[in-house]
Amino acid sequence: EAGVAQSPRYKIIEKRQSVAFWCNPISGHATLYWYQQILGQGPKLLIQFQNNGVVDDSQLPKDRFSAERLKGVDSTLKIQPAKLEDSAVYLCASSSFILAAKNIQYFGAGTRLSVL
Amino acid sequence: EDKVVQSPLSLVVHEGDTVTLNCSYEVTNFRSLLWYKQEKKAPTFLFMLTSSGIEKKSGRLSSILDKKELFSILNITATQTGDSAVYLCAAIRGTYKYIFGTGTRLKVLA
Repeated sequence: EAGVAQSPRYKIIEKRQSVAFWCNPISGHATLYWYQQILGQGPKLLIQFQNNGVVDDSQLPKDRFSAERLKGVDSTLKIQPAKLEDSAVYLCASSSFILAAKNIQYFGAGTRLSVL
Repeated sequence: EDKVVQSPLSLVVHEGDTVTLNCSYEVTNFRSLLWYKQEKKAPTFLFMLTSSGIEKKSGRLSSILDKKELFSILNITATQTGDSAVYLCAAIRGTYKYIFGTGTRLKVLA
């Protein structure tokens, strides 16, 4: 079974530039998550999709971050414009079920973003 | 405010040693606790613990949850260099939300 695919693996941009990350979840997984992991910290949830609808985006900085999952499969996360503090690893995860008892999230390898 | 605290933050041991990693949590509407291993790639799932006092084992790794004292431990026996990684614990709040700790960085020396 293929895992969660993310691209690119690395991205270096200057502040105020735009950047986009792509995620393809495990086939059949309805729930998709984007996390931000700053160096030395645990992952922090940015947004969660159930199929193509948003379940939770309470911690997404909506003035500069946006995400979509138009067909309920792939997802993109965009930052526009980027700030220095956005330097982090952006992890995508997917799970089969939304209920906690079965909710094991499977992660992609992440995109490491450096904002200069 | 929900929080998950892991200790120690980092640990250096020699091959063959046994290590115990700690995870304490204060999470409203707590459902389960998970452990992940994070190397320079995707965090990989280790254990999900929902019931108190029931040990889960996978090879040299084992974990247990104490819902009264609000903590979990992850044990690794006979450590190998391949165990070097960051170990993350996450508490599930409500139906789906993961609250992660900062992780414990383990380095195993040959």
